[in-house]
Amino acid sequence: AQSVAQPEDQVNVAEGNPLTVKCTYSVSGNPYLFWYVQYPNRGLQFLLKYITGDNLVKGSYGFEAEFNKSQTSFHLKKPSALVSDSALYFCAVRDLTGGFKTIFGAGTRLFVKA
Amino acid sequence: EADIYQTPRYLVIGTGKKITLECSQTMGHDKMYWYQQDPGMELHLIHYSYGVNSTEKGDLSSESTVSRIRTEHFPLTLESARPSHTSQYLCASSESGGASGEQFFGPGTRLTVL
Repeated sequence: AQSVAQPEDQVNVAEGNPLTVKCTYSVSGNPYLFWYVQYPNRGLQFLLKYITGDNLVKGSYGFEAEFNKSQTSFHLKKPSALVSDSALYFCAVRDLTGGFKTIFGAGTRLFVKA
Repeated sequence: EADIYQTPRYLVIGTGKKITLECSQTMGHDKMYWYQQDPGMELHLIHYSYGVNSTEKGDLSSESTVSRIRTEHFPLTLESARPSHTSQYLCASSESGGASGEQFFGPGTRLTVL
């Protein structure tokens, strides 16, 4: 069965510092991996995805994520955090052997202090 | 402009009332989903649809029902609302075929049952 783990409920970082939001996954086949962001009182917005190819994928708002097959991880990163990045971040995985359903992690709340 | 819409955005109703949450998308997507999310918490898939006249229950048991008579429309109905139904409901859609499957979310409906 496919699953996603976000080990941190909350990440705190100072503005201008690099940030990392962690995600590990478990699938039986090759994964499609996604990151979404949710701002207060809003739906989720797609940030980026890994399908195949280069392990480092770039997405919206300066975010990037690194796919590591041996560690089954897909951590979200940004070189310099902004206060406006404060939001709830969800990692998600889709395993084609399991149909088209996507499994979401529990979410990590990011706080960026000025 | 291609988008996904949900109405109402906020709804406060009394116990026992029948309600329908509307979701429409102009993205031409075949697949649609309903998620339940308590504020700031993880998402739970409650219903999904492969296409017209196709609906399936998700991972979280729900007393709600859905229909898919038109590709662009995926309403969710509660026959008799209860306080335990108080939550945020998110509608999403994604492409079919060989697409990677990132989902596009509506703004959500925040439901309060008194």
